[in-house]
Amino acid sequence: AQSVTQPDIHITVSEGASLELRCNYSYGATPYLFWYVQSPGQGLQLLLKYFSGDTLVQGIKGFEAEFKRSQSSFNLRKPSVHWSDAAEYFCAVINRDNYGQNFVFGPGTRLSVLP
Amino acid sequence: DADVTQTPRNRITKTGKRIMLECSQTKGHDRMYWYRQDPGLGLQLIYYSFDVKDINKGEISDGYSVSRQAQAKFSLSLESAIPNQTALYFCATSDTRDFTDTQYFGPGTRLTVL
Repeated sequence: AQSVTQPDIHITVSEGASLELRCNYSYGATPYLFWYVQSPGQGLQLLLKYFSGDTLVQGIKGFEAEFKRSQSSFNLRKPSVHWSDAAEYFCAVINRDNYGQNFVFGPGTRLSVLP
Repeated sequence: DADVTQTPRNRITKTGKRIMLECSQTKGHDRMYWYRQDPGLGLQLIYYSFDVKDINKGEISDGYSVSRQAQAKFSLSLESAIPNQTALYFCATSDTRDFTDTQYFGPGTRLTVL
């Protein structure tokens, strides 16, 4: 079965520190990969997505993610975290070779930022 | 104005009551989705619709029904609400013309069933 794992349920970093959120997926084919952010009381906002080409993808708010096929990973990074980045982050995957296949979401990683 | 709106934003109801959650979108997308979010479980797909005449069950459709009244409107009903349906519900849309099928989410409806 297709699955998406985010090994870290909760991460705490200091403001200004670097950040990496992990995402692993299990698929036979090359998937489309997404990161969404959910701020408290808000819906999900798309940060970035990967579908082909350069495996390093730039997104909004200074985030980037790298697709590593050999590791089945799509980790999200930010060089310097701001207090406003405190939120929950979701990785999502869709299998592009399976028409009608829907998104599968990971369980989310909650990010806390210390002043 | 938001592209994807959900009403109500918050609802408290009692066990056994019928509840309808509504979703409207101005993005012109043909695909619409309903998810529920529970802590630690991410988002789980309840129902989805690829156009007005196409309705499909998701992974957790039991206890729910939907209606696609128009391309822009997709409603979720709980025929007889039960406490374990207490959750945050999200509507989302996507465009068939977008080969990545990127989904865009509404702000969510927080439902509490007592």
